[in-house]
Amino acid sequence: EPEVTQTPSHQVTQMGQEVILRCVPISNHLYFYWYRQILGQKVEFLVSFYNNEISEKSEIFDDQFSVERPDGSNFTLKIRSTKLEDSAMYFCASQGNYGYTFGSGTRLTVV
Amino acid sequence: AQRVTQPEKLLSVFKGAPVELKCNYSYSGSPELFWYVQYSRQRLQLLLRHISRESIKGFTADLNKGETSFHLKKPFAQEEDSAMYYCALSGEGRDDKIIFGKGTRLHILP
Repeated sequence: EPEVTQTPSHQVTQMGQEVILRCVPISNHLYFYWYRQILGQKVEFLVSFYNNEISEKSEIFDDQFSVERPDGSNFTLKIRSTKLEDSAMYFCASQGNYGYTFGSGTRLTVV
Repeated sequence: AQRVTQPEKLLSVFKGAPVELKCNYSYSGSPELFWYVQYSRQRLQLLLRHISRESIKGFTADLNKGETSFHLKKPFAQEEDSAMYYCALSGEGRDDKIIFGKGTRLHILP
């Protein structure tokens, strides 16, 4: 069964540093998403991406965040200057004809 | 406003007993409803969606538009059902985002 792959599985970074979270969506999917889950809280939508542009973003997705699909296969989430409150599990998802598939997540810890 | 409410944070049920995880939603239109499961330290997995009307791992959920509910049920709980369960909805658009509830941790007691 095809999977959405996320790397790394765990990233520790210092406050103020830039991080890039990587995702390889399912190859014939056209819609891509990032969600995050702060420890003990619900899964929250960050951004959706279609046809090489952002189609929707939440109020969490401020100027510190950006997404890119640099080479037609990877889908990245960049956080320019991390804050302590960015510590969370970040899930990538892609959507095809039969619904969403989520990746296993990247746990980001900002210290 | 679009919202998914799961009133129970934790539900403990004895093995073999029936399970019901409650979910209510608020959406102006015809949403698609889902249940996702997250086993310890694993990815979110789709358990079922209302349009497919399948029964997965013995779980079923019926969409009640009058009560705006999509409760998840299983007649006989098994120990391997212990996990975090998230009710979620998606809008009518092709690329609509998923809105999750806060989740219910199901703990099956031996």
